[in-house]
Amino acid sequence: AQSVTQPDIHITVSEGASLELRCNYSYGATPYLFWYVQSPGQGLQLLLKYFSGDTLVQGIKGFEAEFKRSQSSFNLRKPSVHWSDAAEYFCACSKGGSEKLVFGKGTKLTVNP
Amino acid sequence: DGGITQSPKYLFRKEGQNVTLSCEQNLNHDAMYWYRQDPGQGLRLIYYSQIVNDFQKGDIAEGYSVSREKKESFPLTVTSAQKNPTAFYLCASSEQGRAREAFFGQGTRLTVV
Repeated sequence: AQSVTQPDIHITVSEGASLELRCNYSYGATPYLFWYVQSPGQGLQLLLKYFSGDTLVQGIKGFEAEFKRSQSSFNLRKPSVHWSDAAEYFCACSKGGSEKLVFGKGTKLTVNP
Repeated sequence: DGGITQSPKYLFRKEGQNVTLSCEQNLNHDAMYWYRQDPGQGLRLIYYSQIVNDFQKGDIAEGYSVSREKKESFPLTVTSAQKNPTAFYLCASSEQGRAREAFFGQGTRLTVV
């Protein structure tokens, strides 16, 4: 069965510092990959997605992610973090078509002033 | 505006009572989902429906029931058989036949006392 692993439960960075959140997936072929963000007590908002083509994808709020097939990874990055980026981030994958989304357990981001 | 509406945002029930969570979407999406979120557990799929009058169990369906009588509505009933019903519940929808980019509601926090 496909699975998604987010190794870091909690990450703290200073405002203005760079950020990388890790995501590894387990699936035999290239899955469809997503990053979502969740503010406390809210629903999830899609940041970006990868289906095929260019392995570096740009998303909203200045985020980007890179798909690396050899490492089964889809890490999320941002060059300079803002205090408003403090939230929980979820990586998800799907086989595509009619297959359901599988989520990682999330990484909580704290931003220090 | 198009979107997914979950109601109520907060819900309190006594142990042993059934409770129904509402989810309505006006995105004209075929597929709808219910997820349960607990701290540190990520999102776990309860039920999903790909078409009206049809639905499938997810990973943690025990103690829950759903119906899909209308395309825009997918209510979730938390029954007294659910051992630990207190949680944050998220409804989502997506287009059929695509890469399952899911759009989420704002969630319902259910507390059973």
